[in-house]
Amino acid sequence: AQSVAQPEDQVNVAEGNPLTVKCTYSVSGNPYLFWYVQYPNRGLQFLLKYITGDNLVKGSYGFEAEFNKSQTSFHLKKPSALVSDSALYFCAGHTGGFKTIFGAGTRLFVKA
Amino acid sequence: EAGVAQSPRYKIIEKRQSVAFWCNPISGHATLYWYQQILGQGPKLLIQFQNNGVVDDSQLPKDRFSAERLKGVDSTLKIQPAKLEDSAVYLCASSLLQGPYEQYFGPGTRLTVT
Repeated sequence: AQSVAQPEDQVNVAEGNPLTVKCTYSVSGNPYLFWYVQYPNRGLQFLLKYITGDNLVKGSYGFEAEFNKSQTSFHLKKPSALVSDSALYFCAGHTGGFKTIFGAGTRLFVKA
Repeated sequence: EAGVAQSPRYKIIEKRQSVAFWCNPISGHATLYWYQQILGQGPKLLIQFQNNGVVDDSQLPKDRFSAERLKGVDSTLKIQPAKLEDSAVYLCASSLLQGPYEQYFGPGTRLTVT
């Protein structure tokens, strides 16, 4: 069965420190992988995606993610966290555009 | 560019009642999705349309849920009759096409079934 897992319910990081939000996937074929962010009382917003090509993809607000096929991972990273990055982050994946599967989400807290 | 519109934003109903949600996707987006997001969980795809055709509805509880996108633009999701476990946020999203395209989400409808 296809799945997307986010092993951490919550990640805490101090402002200015690097952050990583983890995601692993089990998707048949060549996966399309996405990160979305959900701020309080707002809808999900697209951050970045991996389709093919360069394993390091860059997205909005200074975020980037690294696709690792051997480890079936797609971790979200940012070199220097901001308090305003505090939000709920979702990893999602699918193949061929069918049945997007979302992870359970990871809540990021950035402390000033 | 206008975003995905949804209404209502909030709805409270009693169990066994019916409810309908409306979604208007971004203009020109062929693919429309309805998700159910239960508190503490990620969104779960209920149904996916490509224009006015259903691509996937394998996780739609068809005994009580129905959805349509008659003219390939806006869409309606209905629950009849509602159960307590249907309490959730119902998200509508759209994308340009199927495949490697990001989805744009509406603000969602928070449904409470009492």
